[in-house]
Amino acid sequence: SQQGEEDPQALSIQEGENATMNCSYKTSINNLQWYRQNSGRGLVHLILIRSNEREKHSGRLRVTLDTSKKSSSLLITASRAADTASYFCATESIIQGAQKLVFGQGTRLTINP
Amino acid sequence: SQTIHQWPATLVQPVGSPLSLECTVEGTSNPNLYWYRQAAGRGLQLLFYSVGIGQISSEVPQNLSASRPQDRQFILSSKKLLLSDSGFYLCALQPQWTEAFFGQGTRLTVV
Repeated sequence: SQQGEEDPQALSIQEGENATMNCSYKTSINNLQWYRQNSGRGLVHLILIRSNEREKHSGRLRVTLDTSKKSSSLLITASRAADTASYFCATESIIQGAQKLVFGQGTRLTINP
Repeated sequence: SQTIHQWPATLVQPVGSPLSLECTVEGTSNPNLYWYRQAAGRGLQLLFYSVGIGQISSEVPQNLSASRPQDRQFILSSKKLLLSDSGFYLCALQPQWTEAFFGQGTRLTVV
């Protein structure tokens, strides 16, 4: 079953604008991670935020985590055409005694030049 | 640094044929290893994960199986492929509580 659910499913914006993607999850987590996938390729890790952290930055990326609402957001500032990709959140937790990394359905981001 | 190798990149197999996808890792020992499947335009479905040699956990009942004969080798298999087994298969390794590293994926088309 999917743990994380991204919103929106698809997002199309103009180059230079900011892009915000949201992720909701259901169970307690150890950390939440965001990944990027270019079409037909493997996933690339972007940023990891632990359950005791509320915000994290990496370059043009800003991730927030609200464990009380079981939600996270990924903000990409000053978007570029090269940011066009699918973005996934993944939650890492102990489920039935085993450590698992479970992904959501993703947001397809298109940056228009 | 950790690296993960997955092959082949593409595969076309007839219905009823067997399948063997291999994933090997370097630069780490005793990692958690995962097999995911991704339908077109969708998220990743966790199929199997392994915390050690011979230790396999299955997430969903299906036509597939997995094995981990060595610490750095993870194999996805099927005795008889179904049309519904088509998809993009991804192997991943993950040191505990850190980021996961993905292979480049295998696009399987069952015809």
